[in-house]
Amino acid sequence: AQTVTQSQPEMSVQEAETVTLSCTYDTSESNYYLFWYKQPPSRQMILVIRQEAYKQQNATENRFSVNFQKAAKSFSLKISDSQLGDTAMYFCAFMKLWGQYGNNRLAFGKGNQVVVIP
Amino acid sequence: DSGVTQTPKHLITATGQRVTLRCSPRSGDLSVYWYQQSLDQGLQFLIQYYNGEERAKGNILERFSAQQFPDLHSELNLSSLELGDSALYFCASSVVGGAPYTFGSGTRLTVV
Repeated sequence: AQTVTQSQPEMSVQEAETVTLSCTYDTSESNYYLFWYKQPPSRQMILVIRQEAYKQQNATENRFSVNFQKAAKSFSLKISDSQLGDTAMYFCAFMKLWGQYGNNRLAFGKGNQVVVIP
Repeated sequence: DSGVTQTPKHLITATGQRVTLRCSPRSGDLSVYWYQQSLDQGLQFLIQYYNGEERAKGNILERFSAQQFPDLHSELNLSSLELGDSALYFCASSVVGGAPYTFGSGTRLTVV
């Protein structure tokens, strides 16, 4: 089974500053997806960003970007220009690519709490 | 609104009881997933259905069962409830496997 590890359980960042969250994973697979999900106090799980393992280019979504190091099995998330609405728990997740009709479970890390301070 | 509807939002019940959680996937999505989120276990995959068929099973207890109906909505049945079953239960859906999930807002189950 794949394992996903997130350290630094809680991080504080000043508004407009940058924060980076770390994630490592353990797998013997070569085809997979990696995700960052955000869970604000409302408890809703919101997709932040997705990375396909076969793509060398790091994914970017507005203020969110990742540093994907496949050989090191590392997948960090950078939040730039932090905003108060970024306060949330952030989960790193792994999905093995079985094919579109197969087993597509997500394996989640324990999460990082990010608090943006005004 | 994510498009995935879960009911009820909150549920309080006693130990030994049985409850049913319901999920309507986003329009057009054929895959439905159930996850349990608890403080000690984190987010755990329970089960996946694709177009009415079970596709994958995770850490789902024998006391728990699920199904997906022809209209694609899904139900998660939890029986002989224990205090440790108290958790947030999420349903998610996707068009096909591998696509990003859309999560519902969850059902908060409290067993007393």
